[in-house]
Amino acid sequence: AQSVTQPDIHITVSEGASLELRCNYSYGATPYLFWYVQSPGQGLQLLLKYFSGDTLVQGIKGFEAEFKRSQSSFNLRKPSVHWSDAAEYFCAVAASGGSYIPTFGRGTSLIVHP
Amino acid sequence: EADIYQTPRYLVIGTGKKITLECSQTMGHDKMYWYQQDPGMELHLIHYSYGVNSTEKGDLSSESTVSRIRTEHFPLTLESARPSHTSQYLCASSEYGEPGNTIYFGEGSWLTVV
Repeated sequence: AQSVTQPDIHITVSEGASLELRCNYSYGATPYLFWYVQSPGQGLQLLLKYFSGDTLVQGIKGFEAEFKRSQSSFNLRKPSVHWSDAAEYFCAVAASGGSYIPTFGRGTSLIVHP
Repeated sequence: EADIYQTPRYLVIGTGKKITLECSQTMGHDKMYWYQQDPGMELHLIHYSYGVNSTEKGDLSSESTVSRIRTEHFPLTLESARPSHTSQYLCASSEYGEPGNTIYFGEGSWLTVV
């Protein structure tokens, strides 16, 4: 069965600092991997996704993520955080074992200090 | 921008009442989903549909039911609400076919059962 772990419940960074949010997945083959963002009172919005090709993928709002098969990880990064990036971030995995319906992690809450 | 709408956004009801959460999308997507999300926890898939007259139960056992009579409409019903049903319910949709298709989310329905 597919599963995804986001080990950090909260991350606090200063505005302008770099950011890395961790995501580990469990699945035998290469799954489809996603990062979504949820701002307060809003639905989830797709930031980026990966399923093949270049292991470094670019997304919206200046985010990128790197797929590392050896570590079963798909960490999200941003070189310089803006106050408007404060939100909840969800990693998700979709694979054949789950009918390709994404399974989401518990999310990481990003707090940005001025 | 996603065109998926949920009503009501916020609802407080008494125990034993029947409630239907409405979800509509104007994108013509065949696949639709209901996720349940408690604060700080994973999104749990409770129902999904591949198209008209198709409904499936998700990973999380739920006392709710769904129907899919029209492509654009995927309502969720609780016949007799209980305090344990207090949660946020997220409706989503995607195109059928590619596993990596983007899932579009509504803004969620917050349900409180007293």
